[in-house]
Amino acid sequence: NAGVTQTPKFQVLKTGQSMTLQCAQDMNHEYMSWYRQDPGMGLRLIHYSVGAGITDQGEVPNGYNVSRSTTEDFPLRLLSAAPSQTSVYFCASSFSGLAGLRAEKETQYFGPGTRLLVL
Amino acid sequence: DAKTTQPNSMESNEEEPVHLPCNHSTISGTDYIHWYRQLPSQGPEYVIHGLTSNVNNRMASLAIAEDRKSSTLILHRATLRDAAVYYCILRDVGRGAQKLVFGQGTRLTINP
Repeated sequence: NAGVTQTPKFQVLKTGQSMTLQCAQDMNHEYMSWYRQDPGMGLRLIHYSVGAGITDQGEVPNGYNVSRSTTEDFPLRLLSAAPSQTSVYFCASSFSGLAGLRAEKETQYFGPGTRLLVL
Repeated sequence: DAKTTQPNSMESNEEEPVHLPCNHSTISGTDYIHWYRQLPSQGPEYVIHGLTSNVNNRMASLAIAEDRKSSTLILHRATLRDAAVYYCILRDVGRGAQKLVFGQGTRLTINP
């Protein structure tokens, strides 16, 4: 298994440009999510999905769009990049629903991150 | 989501045990206690989780207070590779979704 993969690793954008951050997983996980992490801070949830065709907003959704057309992929779109969106973006996946004490069902797997700089 | 409180930073020596505390005084009956850690320049990785009883796995042990208002992550013999930010997170399994709410975490430094 490749686990959770993210592309690109690093991207520089100009203010106003749009782009899509890619996230894919090969573990057949229903749940996928996007976080952003600003310097010295913890992760904040942007959007999440509990299955193909279902998405919902997290804590900081403004300026971002998502869609989930397949179980494997969960792209994050920046519509019009702003300097405030300079951050490291992490994608995560896991089984959905009530897993209880079974670690293999509860574990969220994170990708290596995409470092985004908006000038 | 119920909140957790952790020290901003801790320091320990290689090959010694490390006890990372977490307070969660507003924990509800359906909250599971999760620990993740984030090594430098990497995404977070799962460490351990539990509900009421103490838990052990190959990475660490989780000691949960009887009233569940606090917990301690125990690294039995720290190595330099254990230097990371450790996050204590409460997840309400009653809600079904796998949302994790990250706080600031504890930055653990290991001295050789």
